[in-house]
Amino acid sequence: DARVTQTPRHKVTEMGQEVTMRCQPILGHNTVFWYRQTMMQGLELLAYFRNRAPLDDSGMPKDRFSAEMPDATLATLKIQPSEPRDSAVYFCASGLVQDGSSGANVLTFGAGSRLTVL
Amino acid sequence: QKEVEQNSGPLSVPEGAIASLNCTYSDRGSQSFFWYRQYSGKSPELIMFIYSNGDKEDGRFTAQLNKASQYVSLLIRDSQPSDSATYLCAVHSGGGADGLTFGKGTHLIIQP
Repeated sequence: DARVTQTPRHKVTEMGQEVTMRCQPILGHNTVFWYRQTMMQGLELLAYFRNRAPLDDSGMPKDRFSAEMPDATLATLKIQPSEPRDSAVYFCASGLVQDGSSGANVLTFGAGSRLTVL
Repeated sequence: QKEVEQNSGPLSVPEGAIASLNCTYSDRGSQSFFWYRQYSGKSPELIMFIYSNGDKEDGRFTAQLNKASQYVSLLIRDSQPSDSATYLCAVHSGGGADGLTFGKGTHLIIQP
């Protein structure tokens, strides 16, 4: 089965440290999303890319978060410096947007990266 | 602010009965609607999607959409204990935006 691969699965770090999460989307998918899930807020869209170009990062705290897609097989989400309020599960998801369609619909999620910032 | 609202539950349903999960959304221009299931500690997985008003059936699952009322529902027939999970409603607004807006989910418990 095609799947989205995320690393690390779990990360415990101290406040102020840099955290980098990685995602390998499904081969052939042209759109990659980063979501954050907490009990209080549920799933929140942080940023997404289409054909490796960043299209929307309005959901992301710009001062400490950055998202990049250096190539078609790798998307990264970086937090620097990390804070306890960043503790959450971070999901990467990918999808295929057809030219002329209204946008990506069906998303396949990775297993998530559980981040704990002490 | 686009919002998707769900009752958090828990919703408790006896095995074999019909489970009914509901969702409302604020953006009247929303174009497509999705139901994801999420088991505890796992990632969301797609159950089904619906674009047009009315019902759409897939096995034991039926999605219902009423755009005039901005209301989506998911019915699960012959509920099984393995259906116990959190069900997330997601909405795609279109207009060039690709991301889905998710509700916080309804926790469903199927009682054996």
